[in-house]
Amino acid sequence: SQKIEQNSEALNIQEGKTATLTCNYTNYSPAYLQWYRQDPGRGPVFLLLIRENEKEKRKERLKVTFDTTLKQSLFHITASQPADSATYLCALDTGGFKTIFGAGTRLFVKA
Amino acid sequence: SAVISQKPSRDICQRGTSLTIQCQVDSQVTMMFWYRQQPGQSLTLIATANQGSEATYESGFVIDKFPISRPNLTFSTLTVSNMSPEDSSIYLCSAGEPGTGGTHEQFFGPGTRLTVL
Repeated sequence: SQKIEQNSEALNIQEGKTATLTCNYTNYSPAYLQWYRQDPGRGPVFLLLIRENEKEKRKERLKVTFDTTLKQSLFHITASQPADSATYLCALDTGGFKTIFGAGTRLFVKA
Repeated sequence: SAVISQKPSRDICQRGTSLTIQCQVDSQVTMMFWYRQQPGQSLTLIATANQGSEATYESGFVIDKFPISRPNLTFSTLTVSNMSPEDSSIYLCSAGEPGTGGTHEQFFGPGTRLTVL
């Protein structure tokens, strides 16, 4: 079955730097991959979707790449700010509008 | 977009009892989902709730333990039955509209934090 691997260790970076988070999957390449942000005590909030035939997608300071050969997506936040501190979840399509979620990576941006 | 509310936000329950969690969406949606999330863990899909049909349960989850209702396009309930401490978790409701070309975005409620003693 499909498994998602996200770095369980928290990522600590300095304000203004680029944060890069990794999502690896183990099985078939999904039709699309999503990234969500989750703050403590809240439900996830959708950020970006990238399809299997897209290499890169951008939205403001966010950039997502999708490499179906490596079975990997990278999520970048440029010019990071303390307000970007949160847990970021990778989610994969499994068909029928259902998705499976990774455990997420916690990002801490220090001022 | 959709705004989702859940009730209760948290509860502490005794072993053997049942709790019903309500999920209200501010607009009509086709699909609603129920997830469970342990602290620091990924979201695990319990079931998909579609209006007018039985909920579809994922492997490891059964209707007798987690009965779900979906009486209309804006509301769903999840009941956690005959609770044990292993059911302690955060339960999240989400909603979305399928469709090719869309973002397949799911909108999530704030979650219900359940503790079973």
